[in-house]
Amino acid sequence: DSGVTQTPKHLITATGQRVTLRCSPRSGDLSVYWYQQSLDQGLQFLIQYYNGEERAKGNILERFSAQQFPDLHSELNLSSLELGDSALYFCASSSDRTSGGNEQFFGPGTRLTVL
Amino acid sequence: EDQVTQSPEALRLQEGESSSLNCSYTVSGLRGLFWYRQDPGKGPEFLFTLYSAGEEKEKERLKATLTKKESFLHITAPKPEDSATYLCAVRNFGNEKLTFGTGTRLTIIP
Repeated sequence: DSGVTQTPKHLITATGQRVTLRCSPRSGDLSVYWYQQSLDQGLQFLIQYYNGEERAKGNILERFSAQQFPDLHSELNLSSLELGDSALYFCASSSDRTSGGNEQFFGPGTRLTVL
Repeated sequence: EDQVTQSPEALRLQEGESSSLNCSYTVSGLRGLFWYRQDPGKGPEFLFTLYSAGEEKEKERLKATLTKKESFLHITAPKPEDSATYLCAVRNFGNEKLTFGTGTRLTIIP
């Protein structure tokens, strides 16, 4: 158990809909990262938040947005869903030390299926 | 742009048959190279971080090594429970995101 929690585990919805995925980082970690894993593309970085502020953006679609709240939990919002958005969505957290590699610890993921 | 290539894509071994997985990378200033294990439908599980060429780290039947262009994950006398996908990722000094390879799917046959 990494200490990172994600809800829900599974989500089935229709095209055009909007969903919210939730992540709670490990105790004490200030950084939260979101990744998308699809069968053909592997793990792709979407976005990072650090202590409530957006810090880095990857290949995140404009239909997707995220935020990190004062209690450090984060939400990833996906709107106008398309079939191609079906994937596993992972949240990771790190302690964001100034030295070292800043290992990221991953949650169990949310499997999104868009029908 | 950072790039990570893992080979082979899939590997089947008999229980006890040692082998190595390869991770080739290009990165603009390596901050760290990471190995993760991922079971089907689960989140990646952190295994090792390597920082500089020549470094080695071990955990049970796994040993990770690093050169300036690649990393190897050596698995010695594997057991069926070592079956998983092994992912390699790099981080550069410019940002904090991880760039992942597509993984090696390892199957250990009893």
